[in-house]
Amino acid sequence: DTGVSQNPRHKITKRGQNVTFRCDPISEHNRLYWYRQTLGQGPEFLTYFQNEAQLEKSRLLSDRFSAERPKGSFSTLEIQRTEQGDSAMYLCASSQTAGTGDPTGELFFGEGSRLTVL
Amino acid sequence: EDQVTQSPEALRLQEGESSSLNCSYTVSGLRGLFWYRQDPGKGPEFLFTLYSAGEEKEKERLKATLTKKESFLHITAPKPEDSATYLCAVQVRNQGGKLIFGQGTELSVKP
Repeated sequence: DTGVSQNPRHKITKRGQNVTFRCDPISEHNRLYWYRQTLGQGPEFLTYFQNEAQLEKSRLLSDRFSAERPKGSFSTLEIQRTEQGDSAMYLCASSQTAGTGDPTGELFFGEGSRLTVL
Repeated sequence: EDQVTQSPEALRLQEGESSSLNCSYTVSGLRGLFWYRQDPGKGPEFLFTLYSAGEEKEKERLKATLTKKESFLHITAPKPEDSATYLCAVQVRNQGGKLIFGQGTELSVKP
């Protein structure tokens, strides 16, 4: 078990550029979450997948944001036409639903991808 | 609106000085309340799950408790290695599995 892996760890980009982050969850986990965290704040929910299906997107997720999880394995989060307000830590987490299908709140987080938009 | 509020925002303790962190929540229906620890530059790390009022969980110097409106994280005789940000999160019934986090309490323990 290598844990949740996120790449790149740091990304500096100019306003208007597109960026993509990748998340490799723990292999047997069927749920994958994306959160965004700014300095001094708790993580804010963006979206989550169960297997390959994207089940919920936050109102925070504008049309410039898109996430995919092809084949229910790794996931990508793309931000198009970045803005300075997108600067944040983007956290990925994975979990396995209980035998009943109920979601567990025990999420395993990666170390995050820090985005700086100049 | 479902909401989680943590206090204080920051807490400085001397090694061995016990204290408590507070997490107040307002939700339409609580499925569970969770405590996480986050070290600088790292992702949050799961500590505890609490499901019902009166429930308590312990791990080393940490003890989490839950009432119908709030949760406390008690830290007994803390050590410098307990320094971190402690995050509280709730899971709401019928809202999938997402967690709603508070803003965290930054704990600093000085030797």
